[in-house]
Amino acid sequence: AQSVAQPEDQVNVAEGNPLTVKCTYSVSGNPYLFWYVQYPNRGLQFLLKYITGDNLVKGSYGFEAEFNKSQTSFHLKKPSALVSDSALYFCAVRDVEMNSGYSTLTFGKGTMLLVSP
Amino acid sequence: DTAVSQTPKYLVTQMGNDKSIKCEQNLGHDTMYWYKQDSKKFLKIMFSYNNKELIINETVPNRFSPKSPDKAHLNLHINSLELGDSAVYFCASSQRRGLSYEQYFGPGTRLTVT
Repeated sequence: AQSVAQPEDQVNVAEGNPLTVKCTYSVSGNPYLFWYVQYPNRGLQFLLKYITGDNLVKGSYGFEAEFNKSQTSFHLKKPSALVSDSALYFCAVRDVEMNSGYSTLTFGKGTMLLVSP
Repeated sequence: DTAVSQTPKYLVTQMGNDKSIKCEQNLGHDTMYWYKQDSKKFLKIMFSYNNKELIINETVPNRFSPKSPDKAHLNLHINSLELGDSAVYFCASSQRRGLSYEQYFGPGTRLTVT
């Protein structure tokens, strides 16, 4: 089965500073990777994905992620953090169910991002 | 214009009761899912339906029974509720064909069993 790991429970950054939220993956075959954000008491919102192509993927709200095959990583980044970016961030990987051949997403445990004013 | 909607948003009930959560998507997707998010925010897939057909059924107690009357709706019925069922339940949808694969989530239903 495919999996992703988010090594940090929480990331703290000051507003205006660059931020990085880490994700590493373990897959057989080509990885399809995703980032989602969950604001308090809200559902998950899709930020960006890597399927193929450029290693630097741009997404919503000024976020981007860098796919690194040699390091099996897909870190989420933003050049200048905002207080409103404070939320729970999930990395996910496409996983194919053995019996049906259908795919679903397997999520990491999430990383809380706290941006201080 | 809500893409994926769920009702109710909050559900408080007693142990042993039976309850249902409804989900609807207006994105024209052919696949729908139920996820459970526990108190530690960990997300786990429970079920997946494609065109009204059950395609993924993770190790979920058979007290949980999903039903898909059409491909825009996926409801979750839970019998004999237990304290451990307390969680946030998310519905999601996606389109199987093409290179999308991303799923779109509803706002969640916070279930509290007392």
